[in-house]
Amino acid sequence: SQTIHQWPATLVQPVGSPLSLECTVEGTSNPNLYWYRQAAGRGLQLLFYSVGIGQISSEVPQNLSASRPQDRQFILSSKKLLLSDSGFYLCAWTLAGANVLTFGAGSRLTVL
Amino acid sequence: KQEVTQIPAALSVPEGENLVLNCSFTDSAIYNLQWFRQDPGKGLTSLLLIQSSQREQTSGRLNASLDKSSGRSTLYIAASQPGDSATYLCAVRIFGNEKLTFGTGTRLTIIP
Repeated sequence: SQTIHQWPATLVQPVGSPLSLECTVEGTSNPNLYWYRQAAGRGLQLLFYSVGIGQISSEVPQNLSASRPQDRQFILSSKKLLLSDSGFYLCAWTLAGANVLTFGAGSRLTVL
Repeated sequence: KQEVTQIPAALSVPEGENLVLNCSFTDSAIYNLQWFRQDPGKGLTSLLLIQSSQREQTSGRLNASLDKSSGRSTLYIAASQPGDSATYLCAVRIFGNEKLTFGTGTRLTIIP
């Protein structure tokens, strides 16, 4: 069966520090991978998605970046965090086509 | 641009009642629609996926319907229980696009 792992679960970082959130999927090949952010009281905002290794689509211009170094690994990064980067970050995967989108448990980031 | 709306933003009902949650979308050329549940501080759990060719899907006490022509979907919950308390989100995928567009959710509280 397929599983998705996301870490760390919680993170408290000072403004200006770097960020790395990691997501891996097991039990499948060539998944579509997604990073969403959920700010307090707001809906899910798609940040990045990837349909293959090295293929990253950015939805919202910001100081975040994403990379997919391996087929089932998706990393969200920042060189310098802003206060506005605080939120709940969710990784998700699906197979191309009409399939269910499955989410990880989320990573809560607080920037102080 | 696809826009997804969920009204009301919050709903409280006594235990045992049947209830309906609403989801509206602006672009009827959808590939599928998915309903999710999110518990506080947790990731999203997929409840039901309706393909564009389907009119409804059922799972236990849950029934989701889809009317593409009117741009609407409903999630019907029968015999509500306190454990049903959560935020419910719908998400739409359009043809030729690997992205899902989410509504802002309805926060449901079942009163014992």
